[in-house]
Amino acid sequence: GQSLEQPSEVTAVEGAIVQINCTYQTSGFYGLSWYQQHDGGAPTFLSYNALDGLEETGRFSSFLSRSDSYGYLLLQELQMKDSASYFCAVPDNYGQNFVFGPGTRLSVLP
Amino acid sequence: EAQVTQNPRYLITVTGKKLTVTCSQNMNHEYMSWYRQDPGLGLRQIYYSMNVEVTDKGDVPEGYKVSRKEKRNFPLILESPSPNQTSLYFCASSPDRDYEQYFGPGTRLTVT
Repeated sequence: GQSLEQPSEVTAVEGAIVQINCTYQTSGFYGLSWYQQHDGGAPTFLSYNALDGLEETGRFSSFLSRSDSYGYLLLQELQMKDSASYFCAVPDNYGQNFVFGPGTRLSVLP
Repeated sequence: EAQVTQNPRYLITVTGKKLTVTCSQNMNHEYMSWYRQDPGLGLRQIYYSMNVEVTDKGDVPEGYKVSRKEKRNFPLILESPSPNQTSLYFCASSPDRDYEQYFGPGTRLTVT
């Protein structure tokens, strides 16, 4: 079986830094992905970590620790447009199907 | 333009009336999936396909069927819809399971 845990909500102000955590339990491990979804929209891919460490893409960074079954998404210099839901996701069933976490709703305040 | 399309975008139907939601991608991707999204439950995979004629169940396959006769198309079939299948459905494709998935715009289905 598999399970992923994320905080349900996070609130921060413009210009701040926020970290969204994700812990997972899967049958085998093939990488951790992050997706963003604005209200009424489709999920869009943000990042993918297959190895331990930090991956940086502009204002967004993603971190993975395979030994701790843990990862996080770091958003810097927050902007109002970053208000959205963020999902971590992993392949499971020995790499066959795909499982998403319950999502974290980020609210960015002025 | 690279994209995943779904039709219809909105559908209201009655219990038991068979329906099909189409999904098509123009990126020559091998991996395709169907998800449903319900409040508080995130995205749950219904079925996935690793390639033509290769499909398998995800986490919530009951009440759904799929087919993959062509690489670009992956329709979702509800043979006898029930109210608990009222949900937002997304189709997605990717070059490989490990790569980023491209999502369609979603289909909001209401079964009364």
